[in-house]
Amino acid sequence: DTAVSQTPKYLVTQMGNDKSIKCEQNLGHDTMYWYKQDSKKFLKIMFSYNNKELIINETVPNRFSPKSPDKAHLNLHINSLELGDSAVYFCASSPRGSFSTGELFFGEGSRLTVL
Amino acid sequence: GESVGLHLPTLSVQEGDNSIINCAYSNSASDYFIWYKQESGKGPQFIIDIRSNMDKRQGQRVTVLLNKTVKHLSLQIAATQPGDSAVYFCAEKGYQAGTALIFGKGTTLSVSS
Repeated sequence: DTAVSQTPKYLVTQMGNDKSIKCEQNLGHDTMYWYKQDSKKFLKIMFSYNNKELIINETVPNRFSPKSPDKAHLNLHINSLELGDSAVYFCASSPRGSFSTGELFFGEGSRLTVL
Repeated sequence: GESVGLHLPTLSVQEGDNSIINCAYSNSASDYFIWYKQESGKGPQFIIDIRSNMDKRQGQRVTVLLNKTVKHLSLQIAATQPGDSAVYFCAEKGYQAGTALIFGKGTTLSVSS
């Protein structure tokens, strides 16, 4: 009955590979997000989707491509992985009613290590 | 760069003490602020929020204070417990739909018994 679930929790891969992280929320929320947390714990917004529509796309390399097949899912695909992509990636969601207020419900994170 | 920052990266307190975690923000257009707690290996969890039309809000053992004049936010934790040990983030947001929460760098709170 996990509210926001991400898979995989850990991912170790070589430079140049392509990988995906999946996220699902069962809260019935309309808006989903991807945040990146670096080694210094800084959390930075990457993308946001509202009801399958991309609404926030921060300055993120084109190698990162989010996909939202429905409003309960937001996946993140990363091409040609680089060392600097190593981080913890957090998926989050928010209900439409709090879209303007911004309270987010986070998943447990997916730790990506690029060797 | 980030528009929200914290004064201290770490804070160590004794069990039972009151803790105060500070945050300075730079975007005067922000009108909504949240404190999150992140335990090791977990995602951030909501603690308390406050809108810009308020200067104080209380929860269970926590109080958030907002000083818009100096763009300062603080989180007070009463009777700090070992379970409060975590990284604490303040985050801000503008009132417009379509803007995201912007997080500060985080303060690591360590509680010793």
